[in-house]
Amino acid sequence: EIVLTQSPGTLSLSPGERATLSCRASQSVPGNHLVWYRQKPGQVPRLLIYDASSRATGIPGRFSGSGSGTDFSLTISSLEPEDFAVYYCQQHGASHHTFGQGTKLEIK
Amino acid sequence: EVQLVQSGAEIKKPGESLKISCKGSGYTFTTYRIAWVRQKPGKGLEWMGIVHPDGYDTRYSQSFQGEVSLSVDKSITTAYLQWSSLKASDTAIYYCARHNTGLDYWGQGTLVTVSP
Repeated sequence: EIVLTQSPGTLSLSPGERATLSCRASQSVPGNHLVWYRQKPGQVPRLLIYDASSRATGIPGRFSGSGSGTDFSLTISSLEPEDFAVYYCQQHGASHHTFGQGTKLEIK
Repeated sequence: EVQLVQSGAEIKKPGESLKISCKGSGYTFTTYRIAWVRQKPGKGLEWMGIVHPDGYDTRYSQSFQGEVSLSVDKSITTAYLQWSSLKASDTAIYYCARHNTGLDYWGQGTLVTVSP
C-alpha cells in the first residue's frame, strides 16, 4: 500500500497568513489521484481538492493544490478563522486507498 | 440532496458481533462506490475498504482484511460494515462516504464503543 507522510505535524500561523502543507507518497500516485480534506473539531471531513489541483464544489479560491508523482502540497493563501483545523491527504490511485496522518493547523 | 445516513451509536462487549448501516439517498446509488473510514478517539482517518453497490470489486485495507466485512443491499440503497467478534481496540467512530473523485459526501458517523 502507498504510505502518505504529511508535514509538518503541526503548523502555527495567524489569520491572514499563508499556509503550505505537504504530502509525500512512498511511491508515485497513479493518475495523481490525490485529494485533500479539512476536518474541523467534532465535524465530518470535507473534500477540498481532488486530482491534486482541482477544487471541489463550493470550495473558496484561497485553497489550491499542486504537485504530481510523489510530492503534493495544499496552499491556503490567506487563513480564515474556520481554516484552523486538521488537514488530511488521501490517495485513491492505487487499488487500496490510504490517508496521510494529518497536519494540524493551529492559531499562533 | 445527497445524503448518507448512518445507524446510531452502539455499545458492545468484546467478542460480540455487530453490523452498522449507511443509507444513501438523493443520487443514483449504484453509480458510486461506498468507502468506510475509521477514526479512533483523537486520532487520524484510516481507510478501511470500499465496496461497489453492485457487490463486485470489494477491497479491504491490509490492516482490516479479515477483521471486517463490507456488504451492500442495493434494493434498499444501504451499505453495511460488519464485525463477527469485536475487540476493545475497535472503539472508534466509523464513517461511510461516497467515492467520486474523492470522498465527496460523508455519513454523520457511528460511534462504536467496545468495553467489558
